[in-house]
Formats: sequence, C-alpha cells, structure tokens
Amino acid sequence: DIQMTQSPSSLSASVGDRVTITCRASQSISNYLNWYQQKPGKAPKLLIYAASSLQSGVPSRFRGGGSGTDFTLTISSLQPEDFATYYCQQTYSAPTFGPGTQVDVK
Amino acid sequence: QVQLQESGPGLVKPSETLSLTCIVFGGSISDYYWSWIRQPPGKGLEWIGYIHYSGSTNYNPSLKSRVTISVDTSKNQFSLKLNSVTAADTAVYYCARVNSGSKIPLHFDYWGQGTLVTVSS
Repeated sequence: DIQMTQSPSSLSASVGDRVTITCRASQSISNYLNWYQQKPGKAPKLLIYAASSLQSGVPSRFRGGGSGTDFTLTISSLQPEDFATYYCQQTYSAPTFGPGTQVDVK
Repeated sequence: QVQLQESGPGLVKPSETLSLTCIVFGGSISDYYWSWIRQPPGKGLEWIGYIHYSGSTNYNPSLKSRVTISVDTSKNQFSLKLNSVTAADTAVYYCARVNSGSKIPLHFDYWGQGTLVTVSS
C-alpha cells in the first residue's frame, strides 16, 4: 500500500488568509494525486486532480502543486465557505486517502 | 448533470451481508469506472473498490476477500456486497464516478450523498 500523510492535521485561519496544506506519499506517485473538500454531513467534493488541474467549477483560489512524493494544496484567500476538511488521495496504485486536514475558524 | 444515489438497508446484523445499490442519473454508466468508498463516523475515507461498466473490477486488498461489486448497465446502476460484517464496517458508504483519460490519473468527480450503514444486532 502507498501511505499518505497530511500536515497539519488541523489549522485555524481567518477569512482572507493564505492557507497551505501538505500531502506526502510513502513512494513516488508522479502526479497521481487528487484533492477533495468535505463539509460535515456532505460527500467529498473534487477540487484538484492530477496534482494541479482545477476541477470544473472550482474557484481559482484553489491551487495544487507538487509531484513525486510531496504535494501542496493552497487556498490563496480563504473564504467563509472554505472552512472544511481537506483530503488528498493517490491513484497511482490501489487508491488511498490521506487522514485529512481540518480548516476551522481562528 | 450526473447524479448518484445510494440505497439499501441502514442496519445490518453482525456476520450478515451488507448490500447497497447506486443508481446513476443524468448520464450513462457506460464508458466509466464506478467506485464505492466508505467513511466510519468521525474518521477518514477508505476506498472499497471500483468496477468498469464492462464488469472488470479492482478491490482494496484489505477488503478483497469480503467484497463484490457488480454492474447492471440495463438499469444504469452498480452494487456493493460486503459479507461477514462486523461493527468495524459501520460507516457512511458513498458511491462515486471514476474519471480518467489518456494520461489523466483516476479521480472521483461525482459522488452520491452517502448512506449510513450500522452493523449491530
């Protein structure tokens, strides 16, 4: 199995802040990395696929980067609707998800 | 707009089989892979497996011995069976469409709303 880790596990931020979440794979996964946003009681929503491609309809303040083993999700200016939990996922082999990063109000 | 809807019993007894169905609306089940993912209460996401509309499957190695995913293209739906369940299988179960393309990694672009399945006697 490819193990995924995320840091931090949680963070507190204010509207307008720049937020960066890191995801690391236990082995190289090229760009086979996706990011999802999940709000309480809702299904995950795809934000970024193939490490840096923005899913249709997702605001441009979300940006993904990285390749190999280290990846980032950056929210350039946090909006009220962005408080949520974010998961990375690798699909290089049998898909696995990171443990999640909870973004809450500072 | 593609929509997915899970259905099935919300309560399953230990040692029995969990059975769920996902119906796809607004698009054909053909030409895509379709997946099941679960999330225990308060915990993270776990991929269960996926199926191609042709019937080929790929399962999470940790669940492979207990999982069967099948597809019914005539009804535009796919199904999950998980046998010999225990309390550890209590979770919200999601179905999702798996998108991919030439040189584009798999990603799960449409999800159902999820259905809670509790394993308890």
